[in-house]
Amino acid sequence: GNSVTQMEGPVTLSEEAFLTINCTYTATGYPSLFWYVQYPGEGLQLLLKATKADDKGSNKGFEATYRKETTSFHLEKGSVQVSDSAVYFCALSEGGGSNYKLTFGKGTLLTVNP
Amino acid sequence: ETGVTQTPRHLVMGMTNKKSLKCEQHLGHNAMYWYKQSAKKPLELMFVYNFKEQTENNSVPSRFSPECPNSSHLFLHLHTLQPEDSALYLCASSQSGLKLKETQYFGPGTRLLVL
Repeated sequence: GNSVTQMEGPVTLSEEAFLTINCTYTATGYPSLFWYVQYPGEGLQLLLKATKADDKGSNKGFEATYRKETTSFHLEKGSVQVSDSAVYFCALSEGGGSNYKLTFGKGTLLTVNP
Repeated sequence: ETGVTQTPRHLVMGMTNKKSLKCEQHLGHNAMYWYKQSAKKPLELMFVYNFKEQTENNSVPSRFSPECPNSSHLFLHLHTLQPEDSALYLCASSQSGLKLKETQYFGPGTRLLVL
C-alpha cells in the first residue's frame, strides 16, 4: 500500500540555522503531496503542497519540491525562527472513487532555540 | 482560526462511561473526517463522511460510533472504551473529498484520557 516515511526526530536547531526534514513516499499512482504543521496545543495546518512532479510548494519561507524520480518531498527553510518550533507532517493524497484520503508520516518534532 | 471547532478540548472518562465528541466546521465543506493521533504513530484515519454519507470506516472498533447529521456537524460517540484509546482525536473537513488536490482543514482536537 501507499506510505510516507519521514526522518526521525526530534530535530533541534539554533535560530537562523538551515532546516531540512526528509520525506519519501511510496505510491501506486500520482499522489498530491503535502506538508502540515502542528503547533503545540493545536490541530494540523497546511503548510504547503505540490500536486504534480517538479512542482515546488512554498509558504512562510518553507519550500518542498515534488521529486518523482526519487519519490521525495523534502522540506527546507533557509533560516529558522523560534516560532517555527512545531511538529511537521509529510502526507500524500491517494485513492479515488468515493473519496481521496491522506496518508501521513509519523511527524518530526522541530525545536528551535534562540 | 481554522474554521473547524471541536468540543470538548479535554475529556477524562472511565471505561464504563458514554461520552460524545463534537466537531463543527464553518467553511461550507461537504466532507468531514475523524482521525486518531497517538504518540509515536502516524495519524490514523477513522471515518470519512461525504455529503453526510459515511464513505470510509477504517476498521474502527464498534465502541466508536460516528454520526453526521448535516454537512457542518460531526460527532464521535464513545462507549466502553479501553485505556489504549487514550489519544488526541482530530476532526477535519474538506470541500468535497473527491479531488486529489484538496486540502483538509483540521480542528484543534480533543485530548481523551480513558482511565
